[in-house]
Amino acid sequence: IQMTQSPSSLSASVGDSVTITCRASENIDTFLNWYQQKPGKAPSLLILSASSLQSGVPPRFTGSGSGTDFTLTISSLQPEDFATYFCQQSSITPYTFGRGTRLEIK
Amino acid sequence: QEQLQESGPGLVKPSQTLSLTCTVSGDYSPGGGYFWNWIRQSAGEQLVWMGRLEGDGTTFYNPSLKSRVAITGDMSKNRFFLSLTSVTAADTAVYYCARARVGEWAFDLWGRGALVTVSS
Repeated sequence: IQMTQSPSSLSASVGDSVTITCRASENIDTFLNWYQQKPGKAPSLLILSASSLQSGVPPRFTGSGSGTDFTLTISSLQPEDFATYFCQQSSITPYTFGRGTRLEIK
Repeated sequence: QEQLQESGPGLVKPSQTLSLTCTVSGDYSPGGGYFWNWIRQSAGEQLVWMGRLEGDGTTFYNPSLKSRVAITGDMSKNRFFLSLTSVTAADTAVYYCARARVGEWAFDLWGRGALVTVSS
């Protein structure tokens, strides 16, 4: 299953809201996860099953979608949110990731 | 708090075998309920799931790696392993071990990653 993320990069300011989209090449129900990765670090799970917030993740991160189209919205951006975000499908092996969206400070 | 830690050689020669170990530490019970995965990330940031080891020893691999990859483990000793044969420069990457909880199917715990360079 191919995962297509957009945009590949995005600039925003602290306090803004941003939305990242992820499209699956076939129906994956809600088997979609979102990760945040900072430079030199491992990815960290934000959202699982399309919309469930991982424990400890701030509620400004929200996920939605089902089937083939999904979104990750970050409201009221904080300085620590500037990072790269990846979607990943867990519907069927081989699990696959999107190519990432780099969120930069404007 | 549980942690994962990758270890192994940082430099492997072309055509040789890449071998890494992932050690689980902290408050961990090897009673099952988890899948143990290897994921790699090339310099271009693409994440590639390589395969997983289940509690009963069952394995699933990414077909893109063909028959070069093997994941084994001894979870009673809190360790699992990655073997990748016949490596080339294209296998140069950061290799992560990661845990997925059965039923959630998301990678909720990752190691810090191990950079492996394939070069003569």
